Amino acid sequence: GQSLEQPSEVTAVEGAIVQINCTYQTSGFYGLSWYQQHDGGAPTFLSYNALDGLEETGRFSSFLSRSDSYGYLLLQELQMKDSASYFCAYHPGANNLFFGTGTRLTVIP
Amino acid sequence: DTGVSQDPRHKITKRGQNVTFRCDPISEHNRLYWYRQTLGQGPEFLTYFQNEAQLEKSRLLSDRFSAERPKGSFSTLEIQRTEQGDSAMYLCASSLEAGPTRGDTQYFGPGTRLTVL
Repeated sequence: GQSLEQPSEVTAVEGAIVQINCTYQTSGFYGLSWYQQHDGGAPTFLSYNALDGLEETGRFSSFLSRSDSYGYLLLQELQMKDSASYFCAYHPGANNLFFGTGTRLTVIP
Repeated sequence: DTGVSQDPRHKITKRGQNVTFRCDPISEHNRLYWYRQTLGQGPEFLTYFQNEAQLEKSRLLSDRFSAERPKGSFSTLEIQRTEQGDSAMYLCASSLEAGPTRGDTQYFGPGTRLTVL
């Protein structure tokens, strides 16, 4: 079957570092994507990992281990505007996405 | 091009009525997707087009739902005989085909929030 697990909520302090983990189970896998969604807004693409290792984009980094069916999103130098829901989503094929239920990140002063 | 646009942004309808939503993708994108999202959940895949061809439909897409992309540009999603359970955010996304071994990066529109009374 297909499944994705990520924590439902995370709270972190402004300026700190937070890691959001994601584990998945799927028969087909083309890569793992991360999306940010603010309340009432659309999901916004953050990063994509097709191969094992770390991808860095500014304050955000994403990691993938295909052998462990595991990935994480790392947010550094947290800002209040980073408070949002973060979704990991895997590509079971080249042209579709399967989303998890999301992690709600709350950044506190 | 500023991104994916959707119209209307909000729709309130009575149970049993038909509704139609429109999505305009990023102009050079050949792939278009429809998703449904309810509160506290991630987007759920509904259907996917490559150019004008509808290549995949989720089991979530009942017979009351139909989608078209007649000229490979904009797309419409119609829901017939709406039910209260159809209340959700309907999201459209588009992508440029990345290749046979790489997942597409999908760019989402702002969504249409449907409320069925």
